[in-house]
Amino acid sequence: QVQLVESGGGVVQPGRSLRLSCAVSGFTFSTYAMYWVRQAPGKGLEWVAFISFDGSNKFYAGSVKGRFTISRDNSKHTLSLQMNTLRAEDTAVYYCARGFCPGGTCSSYFDYWGQGTLVTVSS
Amino acid sequence: EVVLTQSPATLSLSPGERATLSCRASQSVSNNLAWYQQKPGQAPRLLIYAASNRATGIPARFSGSGSGTDFTLTISSLEPEDFAVYYCQQRSNWPPLTFGGGTKVEIK
Repeated sequence: QVQLVESGGGVVQPGRSLRLSCAVSGFTFSTYAMYWVRQAPGKGLEWVAFISFDGSNKFYAGSVKGRFTISRDNSKHTLSLQMNTLRAEDTAVYYCARGFCPGGTCSSYFDYWGQGTLVTVSS
Repeated sequence: EVVLTQSPATLSLSPGERATLSCRASQSVSNNLAWYQQKPGQAPRLLIYAASNRATGIPARFSGSGSGTDFTLTISSLEPEDFAVYYCQQRSNWPPLTFGGGTKVEIK
């Protein structure tokens, strides 16, 4: 079955860095676009980053552009998010999510999500 | 950036009642809209994509409608497990992908 498992969250001081990982299984990782979505405590959902199936295209939310970097290793079935210069407003649960491909046509909706990993930015 | 506005913020209903949730876009997104359900402590679950298509395994009591700027998620008869927060999301003009602020469906 499809599984996405995030790791790497924790408490970090403002201005420091953190790297999140998402280990996937149960599907052909190299054929799917992947995303990071976050949710601040008690708040709604916010899209963070996108990476194409082969890693050739990447997009970011304006709030993280220039500070966060999404990457993937298709040989290791792993998605990553390098987060630099962290701010208090980056505090959230970070989810990795798979792009939805109904009938083979892929779309920027999310059909499978991990359980999330909490990042807390605080001094 | 497309702003999605969901209403109402909270919907208080009893099991068996009909729930009607609204999502309005700041500009046309055609039918490029999805709905998700999120329960406390869980990741969101895809319910509806392309405005009106149920995702795999989603019960028929969930239906989506609309196009352009106005969309509706209807739950025809609320089951106890349907009390949750619902989000809409657009993929028409991106980046960025955007979500609505959510509607909480609570037990009256």
